[in-house]
Amino acid sequence: NAGVMQNPRHLVRRRGQEARLRCSPMKGHSHVYWYRQLPEEGLKFMVYLQKENIIDESGMPKERFSAEFPKEGPSILRIQQVVRGDSAAYFCASSPPGRDFGGYTFGSGTRLTVV
Amino acid sequence: AQSVTQLDSQVPVFEEAPVELRCNYSSSVSVYLFWYVQYPNQGLQLLLKYLSGSTLVESINGFEAEFNKSQTSFHLRKPSVHISDTAEYFCAVSDQGGSEKLVFGKGTKLTVNP
Repeated sequence: NAGVMQNPRHLVRRRGQEARLRCSPMKGHSHVYWYRQLPEEGLKFMVYLQKENIIDESGMPKERFSAEFPKEGPSILRIQQVVRGDSAAYFCASSPPGRDFGGYTFGSGTRLTVV
Repeated sequence: AQSVTQLDSQVPVFEEAPVELRCNYSSSVSVYLFWYVQYPNQGLQLLLKYLSGSTLVESINGFEAEFNKSQTSFHLRKPSVHISDTAEYFCAVSDQGGSEKLVFGKGTKLTVNP
């Protein structure tokens, strides 16, 4: 049973380009969460999605950032017109439906570098 | 709003010594508590969690943490550490019955020296 798969592992973008980060949850998991880890910081919540629905996006920057979890395919975190401050590790996590809380499984992350 | 404070950003210890990584939280509601471990260039792995019941919880590799409601703490301990325990450890909190999001502390880098 594969874990949470994130790709790419490393992504380099020039300022102004778009970054697309992908996350495939564990089999049977229908809840996806995105977190961002800045250097010397803990993880910060960005968004919580279920299939075709954004449940909580209270941690998403108001501009340039969007997330989706379509009926088919991986969840996508999209960053438009990247800036140097977007350089960070982005982690996706998934959990099964229901209130089995504490069942977060994290992926290995995508390390975005903006040059 | 919730917050988590990990008082020590770095903890160096010698192999086979005991270690305690401190975590305090702030919340106006009842919480769930977690410790995650992150090895270099990897994702986070759940180490242990407190949801309810016994306030002392243990992991399979010898770590334990005790939930202290009066002191709002969830310190992580291990009586004898190994070189392989070198990693960064994150404490996290979530409110019971709310959105399934975690609030993390800034992490503690544990370095075990021979």
